[in-house]
Amino acid sequence: GESVGLHLPTLSVQEGDNSIINCAYSNSASDYFIWYKQESGKGPQFIIDIRSNMDKRQGQRVTVLLNKTVKHLSLQIAATQPGDSAVYFCAEPLGGSQGNLIFGKGTKLSVKP
Amino acid sequence: DTAVSQTPKYLVTQMGNDKSIKCEQNLGHDTMYWYKQDSKKFLKIMFSYNNKELIINETVPNRFSPKSPDKAHLNLHINSLELGDSAVYFCASSQNYNEWQFFGPGTRLTVL
Repeated sequence: GESVGLHLPTLSVQEGDNSIINCAYSNSASDYFIWYKQESGKGPQFIIDIRSNMDKRQGQRVTVLLNKTVKHLSLQIAATQPGDSAVYFCAEPLGGSQGNLIFGKGTKLSVKP
Repeated sequence: DTAVSQTPKYLVTQMGNDKSIKCEQNLGHDTMYWYKQDSKKFLKIMFSYNNKELIINETVPNRFSPKSPDKAHLNLHINSLELGDSAVYFCASSQNYNEWQFFGPGTRLTVL
């Protein structure tokens, strides 16, 4: 079936280091992916998205890479800060129900000062 | 200004009760959604509305019913609450059905 999964449930990094959060998807027809950040006690917050006609997209301190060959998605955070500590989700629309976002299980990022 | 707001933020109630959670968005978006997040942080979509029409209805119990009085509001009504309904419920909205969604702050529902 179609699913969005994450390789690592937790990630601990030192402040200032780069972070990489990975996500695997199984539906090769998926054409749109989104990364969300959820801080404790808050709703998911949009970080960055990417469409399947791109391999890479950059935002402020964040980069999303899409490898369609191996159906892999990654979120890179440069110079990780304590404020980056949160749970990160990748998500994709499921099939013909474009609005039906399927979320991965989430990766908890902890930043050590 | 809050883009997507939900009330109440916390809701504690007894089994068997009926409750509602309200959601409002001031973004002018056409589509609104309800999600359920369990204790393991797993997020699952429940409903979505586009121009006041239900376009997604996941296999949730019919005790849950979304109601949209207008494009800016999507309320969630829950009848005969059960222990397993305890979760955090998030409302979200998007400009259209194929764009990223803006989430509200969530409502933590606890059923005793």
